[in-house]
Amino acid sequence: DAGVIQSPRHEVTEMGQEVTLRCKPISGHNSLFWYRQTMMRGLELLIYFNNNVPIDDSGMPEDRFSAKMPNASFSTLKIQPSEPRDSAVYFCASSPSQGLSDTQYFGPGTRLTVL
Amino acid sequence: GIQVEQSPPDLILQEGANSTLRCNFSDSVNNLQWFHQNPWGQLINLFYIPSGTKQNGRLSATTVATERYSLLYISSSQTTDSGVYFCAVASGGGADGLTFGKGTHLIIQP
Repeated sequence: DAGVIQSPRHEVTEMGQEVTLRCKPISGHNSLFWYRQTMMRGLELLIYFNNNVPIDDSGMPEDRFSAKMPNASFSTLKIQPSEPRDSAVYFCASSPSQGLSDTQYFGPGTRLTVL
Repeated sequence: GIQVEQSPPDLILQEGANSTLRCNFSDSVNNLQWFHQNPWGQLINLFYIPSGTKQNGRLSATTVATERYSLLYISSSQTTDSGVYFCAVASGGGADGLTFGKGTHLIIQP
């Protein structure tokens, strides 16, 4: 299995630009999670989906952030407009759930730098 | 929300030494995972262990759910064990987002 795939791996952009991060979960997994890691706040949950439906987006910092999961194989996290404080590593994770296991498997992350 | 505390925050050991990392959590959990974040930033899943004991090679973990703590044991440390070890928990039913501790930064010196 290829594991969770994220793209791009690195993104450098200027303040005010739109940023789109992409994630392909492990095939057959029913849950998908977006996390953010910063030095100040550590690892924090942004949003998660079960069967493509957003369940909890209380961690999304503000309206500039949005996430979609149009199908079981793809999710996006969009920031518009981006700000320097959005600089962080963004991780996507997936889990098989459905009572079998809640183990979450993480992708390699996208390192975002907003200048 | 649930609180997760890890100790110690930093640990420096010589190669070959053994170590114990601790994770305390403030509420009952139905998911507890230990991760190793290597120097390249990858989060490697070590154990899914909401209760009980598991072993994988030189690593083992124990979670005492009734007392709300988990321990990660590393034996015969190697330099490749260096990195940050995170404990993460979830308390909701079914699939739920994880709450992470601040981690233990482990350095293994040759």
